[in-house]
Amino acid sequence: DTGVSQDPRHKITKRGQNVTFRCDPISEHNRLYWYRQTLGQGPEFLTYFQNEAQLEKSRLLSDRFSAERPKGSFSTLEIQRTEQGDSAMYLCASSPTQGIPGANVLTFGAGSRLTVL
Amino acid sequence: AQTVTQSQPEMSVQEAETVTLSCTYDTSESDYYLFWYKQPPSRQMILVIRQEAYKQQNATENRFSVNFQKAAKSFSLKISDSQLGDAAMYFCAYTDNDMRFGAGTRLTVKP
Repeated sequence: DTGVSQDPRHKITKRGQNVTFRCDPISEHNRLYWYRQTLGQGPEFLTYFQNEAQLEKSRLLSDRFSAERPKGSFSTLEIQRTEQGDSAMYLCASSPTQGIPGANVLTFGAGSRLTVL
Repeated sequence: AQTVTQSQPEMSVQEAETVTLSCTYDTSESDYYLFWYKQPPSRQMILVIRQEAYKQQNATENRFSVNFQKAAKSFSLKISDSQLGDAAMYFCAYTDNDMRFGAGTRLTVKP
């Protein structure tokens, strides 16, 4: 396993277009998280999944944002009708099941950088 | 909601010297975990050190150690014998379910 993979690494789009990011977590991890990070700031929590269930969503996740993890493996984060304020790094992370060694430790991907023109 | 505060936007240390990064958090939970993550420029976030709240002993990982004061809700990171490769953004994080991060401290290491 090569860690958490995110695709694409960079996306430039025009305002109003839809974009989708994909995250492939570490295979034995059942928790998957999405964060947004703007320049010089800490990651802001967006949402997380335990297996295929989306357990929590931040108020930052407006109705233009949707995340899925249909089979409890990879996840997608879609942003509809992008705005310039959506420009950020979108980070994915995964963690093992609660109660086993390493639980609560997030392993991050390299991120998907979105630029909205 | 739990909050994590890092009051030092930037810190600087001389190579081989020691530096301490501060972090405070707010929670009503008694069982939680605290972390320090490092994010080098244009590179991904990696775990530096982890502390379980139920453990009184401060965590240590080689040159990195923490000072965990549960009653004060304080969790500082000490980097000993600083190296040029330690230069990065350092984020303090808290979790009792989902993980929340502070705004970060940019550490510069001077040769």
